[in-house]
Amino acid sequence: DTEVTQTPKHLVMGMTNKKSLKCEQHMGHRAMYWYKQKAKKPPELMFVYSYEKLSINESVPSRFSPECPNSSLLNLHLHALQPEDSALYLCASSQELGGWGYTFGSGTRLTVV
Amino acid sequence: EDQVTQSPEALRLQEGESSSLNCSYTVSGLRGLFWYRQDPGKGPEFLFTLYSAGEEKEKERLKATLTKKESFLHITAPKPEDSATYLCAVQYYTGNQFYFGTGTSLTVIP
Repeated sequence: DTEVTQTPKHLVMGMTNKKSLKCEQHMGHRAMYWYKQKAKKPPELMFVYSYEKLSINESVPSRFSPECPNSSLLNLHLHALQPEDSALYLCASSQELGGWGYTFGSGTRLTVV
Repeated sequence: EDQVTQSPEALRLQEGESSSLNCSYTVSGLRGLFWYRQDPGKGPEFLFTLYSAGEEKEKERLKATLTKKESFLHITAPKPEDSATYLCAVQYYTGNQFYFGTGTSLTVIP
């Protein structure tokens, strides 16, 4: 299995909702990443987990809350989002933190209404 | 200061019209340079990794090359299915992050 699987593929949520994005990989990678990508922009790093511990938090607002329950799973919990948070949210993994190249998932298209 | 600069921002080619995309990086200590292809609404798909100046990698109609300051992605006789955004990313020995360029949006017209 050489994939990173993200669910759901699309999500529409209101500003008062609570939702979660899920990311799963079975490649034995020990580093996992959340990126946010706005239209026609490159991906922007949000969080990095290494061996299930939060390694990097790029000053992301607290309405985004990451969680790494085990080495294969990465969640992003969403609460009280703003319309400007609408974007493509990408999960990626690499063998180790700073490992060669990242494998990306297909992303979750999030729309906040 | 931008770590990675890609040009052109957008490129329209006729089918079969070869061209090159550029990725230049500004900081020394390059650990690796990566090329990704991204289709609209999808995650980036890995294409190539280049580690040292002079290195070349090929895959079908694509060929990536690396110098000390930049990388080129050459597209030979492109087809409409090559239409996508091509992202370049660099990784340095200091720090663990990827620095993405802003991408080149390629459109190949039949």
